[in-house]
Amino acid sequence: GQNIDQPTEMTATEGAIVQINCTYQTSGFNGLFWYQQHAGEAPTFLSYNVLDGLEEKGRFSSFLSRSKGYSYLLLKELQMKDSASYLCAVEGNTPLVFGKGTRLSVIA
Amino acid sequence: EAQVTQNPRYLITVTGKKLTVTCSQNMNHEYMSWYRQDPGLGLRQIYYSMNVEVTDKGDVPEGYKVSRKEKRNFPLILESPSPNQTSLYFCASSQDLGSYEQYFGPGTRLTVT
Repeated sequence: GQNIDQPTEMTATEGAIVQINCTYQTSGFNGLFWYQQHAGEAPTFLSYNVLDGLEEKGRFSSFLSRSKGYSYLLLKELQMKDSASYLCAVEGNTPLVFGKGTRLSVIA
Repeated sequence: EAQVTQNPRYLITVTGKKLTVTCSQNMNHEYMSWYRQDPGLGLRQIYYSMNVEVTDKGDVPEGYKVSRKEKRNFPLILESPSPNQTSLYFCASSQDLGSYEQYFGPGTRLTVT
């Protein structure tokens, strides 16, 4: 079966750093995606990890440990516009499976 | 501009009245899929298509049909909509499975009364 777990909600302060965790149990593993989704809008691609380690892209970084079935998304220098849902998605033996998403609220 | 378009964006209909939601992409992508998104349940895949005339069921296919007669189009058909199909629907496409990001359409908010 496929199971992807993320915290439901998180709150962080503008300018701070926040880490959003994702654990997964899937049939096979081909890669892990992170998407950002603002309320009422379509998801947009943030990052992709297939090998263990950290991938950095500006203020956003994503980490993967395949042996632990674990990933996190790190957002630095938080801005108000980062308030959104963050979706972890895994591609295994079946096409992409999404977690339920983490709603991040950035407060002043 | 590379994009995925969906129509209609909003639809209110009644139980049993057949409807089609269109999806079109202009990126020559092989892979297309349909998702529904419901509060507390996240994005769930309805159907996907690896190429023309190749479709397969996702996690929640009951009550839906799809077709892929042309590479660019992937319509979602609800033959007899029911209130439990009230949801936000997204079409997505990508170059292929694997490491390719998915591009999502703007979404269709469907209400079935």
